[in-house]
Amino acid sequence: GENVEQHPSTLSVQEGDSAVIKCTYSDSASNYFPWYKQELGKGPQLIIDIRSNVGEKKDQRIAVTLNKTAKHFSLHITETQPEDSAVYFCAASIFSNQFYFGTGTSLTVIP
Amino acid sequence: DAGITQSPRHKVTETGTPVTLRCHQTENHRYMYWYRQDPGHGLRLIHYSYGVKDTDKGEVSDGYSVSRSKTEDFLLTLESATSSQTSVYFCAISEATLARRSTDTQYFGPGTRLTVL
Repeated sequence: GENVEQHPSTLSVQEGDSAVIKCTYSDSASNYFPWYKQELGKGPQLIIDIRSNVGEKKDQRIAVTLNKTAKHFSLHITETQPEDSAVYFCAASIFSNQFYFGTGTSLTVIP
Repeated sequence: DAGITQSPRHKVTETGTPVTLRCHQTENHRYMYWYRQDPGHGLRLIHYSYGVKDTDKGEVSDGYSVSRSKTEDFLLTLESATSSQTSVYFCAISEATLARRSTDTQYFGPGTRLTVL
């Protein structure tokens, strides 16, 4: 099956700085890559996603980039705010109902 | 949480006892999923359902069974709980396209924290 690796496992940034989280995947057939944000005691919430026919997608302060050749994709958060502090998960999907998740990145934004 | 509730939210049980977790949705989505979340493993798919009475195994299905008798409810059963099944369990849902395939976006419930002593 698919194997998704996520780095770093923890990340601390100063408020206003940018944060970047990277994921790699193993199966070139993967074609959908969502990112989820999970706050303490809550379920994961989708924040942005990208499909294999697109190289980059932006939504306000959040962007995701995809490099199919290298089989990696990244989450970029600009102008970080304390409320961005959470655990972020990447995932890759070959078939729509089979998601493979990374192990998560705990982001702390220091005021 | 996209109209998804899970019950109970917390449960402590003993090894060898049966446990059933419930997921209820009000979105009328066709696809429902059960995941477990453990430190160092992210989320792993246990079972999923693509319709009433239609289910299939995921990555970590051993020791678990599921049932779906109504569109809105998806039950996860641990027939004889073990300490290795201590985890946080999440239910997720996704829509179906006109071609009856799952769309990609999955929405998650609030989770159930299960402790097996």
